[in-house]
Amino acid sequence: GNSVTQMEGPVTLSEEAFLIINCTYTATGYPSLFWYVQYPGEGLQLLLKATKADDKGSNKGFEATYRKETTSFHLEKGSVQVSDSAVYFCALSDRSTGFQKLVFGTGTRLLVSP
Amino acid sequence: DAGVTQSPTHLIKTRGQQVTLRCSPKSGHDTVSWYQQALGQGPQFIFQYYEEEERQRGNFPDRFSGHQFPNYSSELNVNALLLGDSALYLCASSFTSAASYNEQFFGPGTRLTVL
Repeated sequence: GNSVTQMEGPVTLSEEAFLIINCTYTATGYPSLFWYVQYPGEGLQLLLKATKADDKGSNKGFEATYRKETTSFHLEKGSVQVSDSAVYFCALSDRSTGFQKLVFGTGTRLLVSP
Repeated sequence: DAGVTQSPTHLIKTRGQQVTLRCSPKSGHDTVSWYQQALGQGPQFIFQYYEEEERQRGNFPDRFSGHQFPNYSSELNVNALLLGDSALYLCASSFTSAASYNEQFFGPGTRLTVL
């Protein structure tokens, strides 16, 4: 079945440091890939997405590239801010479920200190 | 434009009881999905409703059931509660189309505690 594996946290960084959160996936066919962010006490928000191989999703300074050859979708940001502290989830959906069901990783908590 | 809303925010029940959670989708959306997020875990898909019918279901027992109303709002019912049902229950709404992806917008969730 489909699955997502992401690096365990917490990831602790100082402000302006470089961020990378690893995500790899297993899926039949060609899934769409996503990063969601969950701030304390809130629901999930879509951060970025990529729907085919070599696509790069980007938003708010975050980027992730859909790498079919390595089945990866790592999240990167060049300079993190304290306000980026949150839990980040990698997720996928695929054609077998009509692209309707999301399969999530376990989440990675990011803590950014001033 | 109100986003996805859920009620109640928090709920405490005891084992064996039944619970109903409610969700109102974002304006213009016709599809509602429910997810269970245990502490420290990613959300797990429970089921999805479209046109008042269950369209897809995840690996959850029949104790979990749902309903969608003509105004697209939805309920999640859990019977015979177990301690392991304690979790954050997330509702997500979307608009079903032929696109390769229909973005799901999540509500803030209902925190259920089973004692």
